[in-house]
Amino acid sequence: AQSVTQLGSHVSVSEGALVLLRCNYSSSVPPYLFWYVQYPNQGLQLLLKYTSAATLVKGINGFEAEFKKSETSFHLTKPSAHMSDAAEYFCAVTTLNSGNTPLVFGKGTRLSVIA
Amino acid sequence: EAGVTQFPSHSVIEKGQTVTLRCDPISGHDNLYWYRRVMGKEIKFLLHFVKESKQDESGMPNNRFLAERTGGTYSTLKVQPAELEDSGVYFCASSQERGRPQGSAAFFGQGTRLTVV
Repeated sequence: AQSVTQLGSHVSVSEGALVLLRCNYSSSVPPYLFWYVQYPNQGLQLLLKYTSAATLVKGINGFEAEFKKSETSFHLTKPSAHMSDAAEYFCAVTTLNSGNTPLVFGKGTRLSVIA
Repeated sequence: EAGVTQFPSHSVIEKGQTVTLRCDPISGHDNLYWYRRVMGKEIKFLLHFVKESKQDESGMPNNRFLAERTGGTYSTLKVQPAELEDSGVYFCASSQERGRPQGSAAFFGQGTRLTVV
């Protein structure tokens, strides 16, 4: 079984500062990892995904995440926060398997950006 | 191209009543998923359709929940009778990719916020 732990239910950064949202996973088989973002009153939007190719994955809006197997981590970063980045972010995992296995999500991290 | 749409966006019902949530996936997407987020907790998988067939319904909480996808197009999720603990946000997602985990990286709707009072 897989699981995801997101450290920090709420993270606050200043505009222009580094964004770091932490995600650790547990999986008995090689994982596929995802980050989603939910802006207010909107659905979940895929930011980026790791699917066993490059370990450093670049996504939309300047976000990137690095898969570190030794640390079982997939932290999300952005060099410089913008006010529009304020949203809730979800890390999710699934596994290489036949069919379209469902996602297992973390509890989410709400990002606030302070002017 | 229209995204995944869900109706209604909000619903407030009394305990014991019936509510039906609807999801219209992206046209042509065979895979349709329902997820739920109870307040303060993680988003959890409910079930997965491939076309009109239930591929996996292991996440359905109990037999008060009934999902259908007639004709392999839109899907409904009925809760009957609703209980207080059913409150939460219900997400629908759809994808086209088959046989690969990337297919799980689906397109999500905006969710239906259900409040049972």
